[in-house]
Amino acid sequence: AAGVIQSPRHLIKEKRETATLKCYPIPRHDTVYWYQQGPGQDPQFLISFYEKMQSDKGSIPDRFSAQQFSDYHSELNMSSLELGDSALYFCASSSPGEGRDTQYFGPGTRLTVL
Amino acid sequence: GESVGLHLPTLSVQEGDNSIINCAYSNSASDYFIWYKQESGKGPQFIIDIRSNMDKRQGQRVTVLLNKTVKHLSLQIAATQPGDSAVYFCAENMISGGSNYKLTFGKGTLLTVNP
Repeated sequence: AAGVIQSPRHLIKEKRETATLKCYPIPRHDTVYWYQQGPGQDPQFLISFYEKMQSDKGSIPDRFSAQQFSDYHSELNMSSLELGDSALYFCASSSPGEGRDTQYFGPGTRLTVL
Repeated sequence: GESVGLHLPTLSVQEGDNSIINCAYSNSASDYFIWYKQESGKGPQFIIDIRSNMDKRQGQRVTVLLNKTVKHLSLQIAATQPGDSAVYFCAENMISGGSNYKLTFGKGTLLTVNP
């Protein structure tokens, strides 16, 4: 079965640079969620989108922004990168229409800021 | 604020034994809980979920128990196998932004299965 796709899988950036992470949800899933997971930490909710509209916002820095496009893929844009932004970034997707809003996670993007 | 947490950070078991991973939550209004398994370098993988109108739910080799009185969840893995070695998270699924949900994860428990 098709899963959530994230790209790139690994990304290395310098401080103050920008990064763009991409997420392609499971086909027919209309909701996308972004999570950040630091080393040895649990995933923290950043932001979510439903039908291309932002539906909720968590602990996402103002330096980050995201959007969901007409084909339901989503991009997380990160500017003025800081060392503390080094983490795993996961995207998850769900389909409320299936009756149970279980989130299915992608493999993640490992961002390293030097 | 409200949080979901785990009692034990690590658990080591022998292959074939049963494993029990515990989780405490503090939001008494929570009505939906999920257990995820995360292997090294991979995304969280859905294992099993349970709603607050249930006390127990069984899957393949896994059982989740919910005790609403003490706000406690547990994940039982029968006949634990080396492939079960991973970090296990409980998560509270909260309604946000209309009919959508966001997950609040507890601290993970690292399960190590010794052959």
